[in-house]
Amino acid sequence: DTGVSQDPRHKITKRGQNVTFRCDPISEHNRLYWYRQTLGQGPEFLTYFQNEAQLEKSRLLSDRFSAERPKGSFSTLEIQRTEQGDSAMYLCASSLLRQGDTGELFFGEGSRLTVL
Amino acid sequence: GENVEQHPSTLSVQEGDSAVIKCTYSDSASNYFPWYKQELGKGPQLIIDIRSNVGEKKDQRIAVTLNKTAKHFSLHITETQPEDSAVYFCAASIPGYALNFGKGTSLLVTP
Repeated sequence: DTGVSQDPRHKITKRGQNVTFRCDPISEHNRLYWYRQTLGQGPEFLTYFQNEAQLEKSRLLSDRFSAERPKGSFSTLEIQRTEQGDSAMYLCASSLLRQGDTGELFFGEGSRLTVL
Repeated sequence: GENVEQHPSTLSVQEGDSAVIKCTYSDSASNYFPWYKQELGKGPQLIIDIRSNVGEKKDQRIAVTLNKTAKHFSLHITETQPEDSAVYFCAASIPGYALNFGKGTSLLVTP
C-alpha cells in the first residue's frame, strides 16, 4: 500500500498524559499536513511542513502541541498534558507541491484520540 | 484567514435525483476549490476540484461551478446512487497555503 499511513489508529489515554501520533506520507510528496476533526465538523487545519520545514501553524495549535518532520519524511504530532477537549480524529495528509500551487491532498485514515 | 461556509448540513434525496451542495468563501485571493468525500471510518478523498480560471468542471455525474464575483461554488451530483451516501466537504485555499474546509454535508441517498 503506497497511501498515507497513520499510527496508532486508536488511542485512549487519561487526562494529563502525553500522546504521540505518527504519519508516513506518500514517499514522493513534499508537503505534509495535520488536521483535527471532531464529530460533525470539517477537518480543522493544525500545521503543515514542506520537506522538513514547518511553514504554518494554526492558532488552534496550543503550546501543548508540537509537530516534527525530521529529514522530510515521516512526521510526528505530540500532545502533552492531554485534556478532554483534545479528543478528536487527527488526520494526516500529504501532497506534491507544484509551482507554488496547492495540489490534491491525500489523507490517511486518521488517529482517533479519546481522553478520559 | 479563509472562512468557508457550507450548506446544507444534511441532505436526503431519492435515488436518481440530483443533489446540490453550496459553499461560500471569504478571501478573494483563494484560487483552488476542491470537494472531498468522506465515508465512515475513512479519511476524506478528493472527488473533483476547480481552479479560479475556470467557471465549471464536469466529471461524469459530478460537476462543480464557481462564481468568483459572488465568492461561491457548488457541487452537483446527478443520477444519485446509494453509494453516493457520505459526508461531502468543500474547501478553499490561497496559493501555496493549506486548505480550509467547510463543516460538511451529510448526504443520504435512499433507494
